[in-house]
Amino acid sequence: AQSVAQPEDQVNVAEGNPLTVKCTYSVSGNPYLFWYVQYPNRGLQFLLKYITGDNLVKGSYGFEAEFNKSQTSFHLKKPSALVSDSALYFCAVRDYNDMRFGAGTRLTVKP
Amino acid sequence: NAGVTQTPKFRVLKTGQSMTLLCAQDMNHEYMYWYRQDPGMGLRLIHYSVGEGTTAKGEVPDGYNVSRLKKQNFLLGLESAAPSQTSVYFCASSLQGARLSTDTQYFGPGTRLTVL
Repeated sequence: AQSVAQPEDQVNVAEGNPLTVKCTYSVSGNPYLFWYVQYPNRGLQFLLKYITGDNLVKGSYGFEAEFNKSQTSFHLKKPSALVSDSALYFCAVRDYNDMRFGAGTRLTVKP
Repeated sequence: NAGVTQTPKFRVLKTGQSMTLLCAQDMNHEYMYWYRQDPGMGLRLIHYSVGEGTTAKGEVPDGYNVSRLKKQNFLLGLESAAPSQTSVYFCASSLQGARLSTDTQYFGPGTRLTVL
């Protein structure tokens, strides 16, 4: 079965600095990869997804993710972090009806 | 357009009690899903539905039942609640689901359930 791993429980960055939230995946076929964000007491919101094509995927709120097949990674990035980006981020991999989520990474952006 | 809504937002049950969580979507989506979220474990799929009148088991279906009598509604039932079912429950929907593995899921705000 497919799976994703988020190796960091917590990521802290200063406002204005670039941020990276890491994700690695394991699939038997083509990887369909997603990033979601969860703000306190809210449901998950879709950020971006990788289907095929360009390895750099651009999404909502200035986020982007880089797909690396050789490293089986799909890291989330943003060039300049905002305090309002502080939230819980989930990486996920989809295979038909089976969506598997990572454990989540809590991002804290400090002023 | 409300998207995906869930009722109730919070609930406290005693062990052995039953309850039903309601999920509604107004996007005319075919596929609907129920997940539970536990600390340090991400989201895990309980049951899903590929259309009105159909349901299927996900990763952690034991102790739960579901029904999809109407396309816009997906109900999650707990027949005899246990403390291990204390969790935050999220409903989601997507337009096509398995026919398009890249389909995006849209989530409701969640229901926080505590079983004493």
